[in-house]
Formats: sequence, structure tokens, C-alpha cells
Amino acid sequence: NAGVTQTPKFQVLKTGQSMTLQCAQDMNHEYMSWYRQDPGMGLRLIHYSVGAGITDQGEVPNGYNVSRSTTEDFPLRLLSAAPSQTSVYFCASSPWTGKKDTQYFGPGTRLTVL
Amino acid sequence: GNSVTQMEGPVTLSEEAFLTINCTYTATGYPSLFWYVQYPGEGLQLLLKATKADDKGSNKGFEATYRKETTSFHLEKGSVQVSDSAVYFCALSAGGYQKVTFGIGTKLQVIP
Repeated sequence: NAGVTQTPKFQVLKTGQSMTLQCAQDMNHEYMSWYRQDPGMGLRLIHYSVGAGITDQGEVPNGYNVSRSTTEDFPLRLLSAAPSQTSVYFCASSPWTGKKDTQYFGPGTRLTVL
Repeated sequence: GNSVTQMEGPVTLSEEAFLTINCTYTATGYPSLFWYVQYPGEGLQLLLKATKADDKGSNKGFEATYRKETTSFHLEKGSVQVSDSAVYFCALSAGGYQKVTFGIGTKLQVIP
């Protein structure tokens, strides 16, 4: 049982490049989400999904796209990278949207945009 | 909207010292409250949680009590170890699609 996995662990991009951050979970969780972590700002929700084929925006969605074709996978796409997207990105999953549910986090992707 | 307030730190303590990290929240209804811990280079993991008023969550010597009257969920440990050095996030969940609101995280450094 691997839990939540993310690839790559580190990435450096040039401004304007695009890339996809991968996230997968093997716990059959319905709810998945992407956060970015920045100093002094904690974790901010980018996008989330409540099941395959269903996604929606979080607090800071601009510049990012997501899709959810399977229960297991929830990739995050950066369309045209900007220095403001330099951050650490975490994918998380939980069984459902109940308020008692624990969130399970991946190890993170550290992204630098030059 | 919902919000969580905690100090950013860093909090520096000597080994075996008593730890308190304050957390207060604003929320409608009756949220669940969580403490997550992030060790260096890793993702967040659940430390403890409480799902209703007056509940006490505990794990690995850490404790926190859900105080609705003071809207607080302070994290305590009686004797910290070097291995407790990490960033601690207070969070609340009111359920629903937006899920969890996190505080900014408090960095704890424990020195031998």
C-alpha cells in the first residue's frame, strides 16, 4: 500500500514552459486535492475532485488545470509557468468530504520557475 | 468564511521542555479540528484530531482539547524530543467540497 505518490520530487522550469505534476493514490479515495505551500501562507487549495470526471476550483486556481479520468489519478497541469508558481505542491486524498475525514498527503513536488 | 490562526515561529525549545502551540479558529457550525505534522522533506501527516467540543485528541505524547467556548485547539506535549522538530499545522474541517482550512504552520526546533 503506497498511499499517495507524487512525481517528480523536484522540477526546474523556465518561464512559459508547461508541465504536469503527477499524483496517484491506491486507497480508493473519492476526494483528491492539490495544495501549494508557500512561506508565511500555509497551504492553499488549488483544485479538488470529488470523484472521477468531477473537478472544481479551490482558492488559487489561476494558471493550473486538472482532470480526473480515474479514481486513482489526479494530475495537475501548469499551462505556462510563471515565477509566481515557484512553490511546493502537495497532493492529498481522503475517503469522502465528511468533516471527520483525515487527509492523506503525498511527499510533495518542489517546483522552481526561473 | 472559516479561518485558523497560529503563530509561525520558529519556536525553539530545549529537549525535555514543555511545548504549547496555540491555535484558534473561526468557523460556522461544528467543525472537526486537526493537528498535522510535517517533518523535513516530507508531506503532512495527521498527528491528532477531535471531532466535537470537549474531545481530547492524543498521539505520540501530544494532546489537544477542542474548546468551543474559546474557539481553541492548543497543542501540548510535556517533554519534547529532538525528533519532534517539524512544522505543525492546525486545521479545521467543516465538511463539504472545500474540505480543510489550514493555519500557516508553526516551526518547532528542539535543541539537545
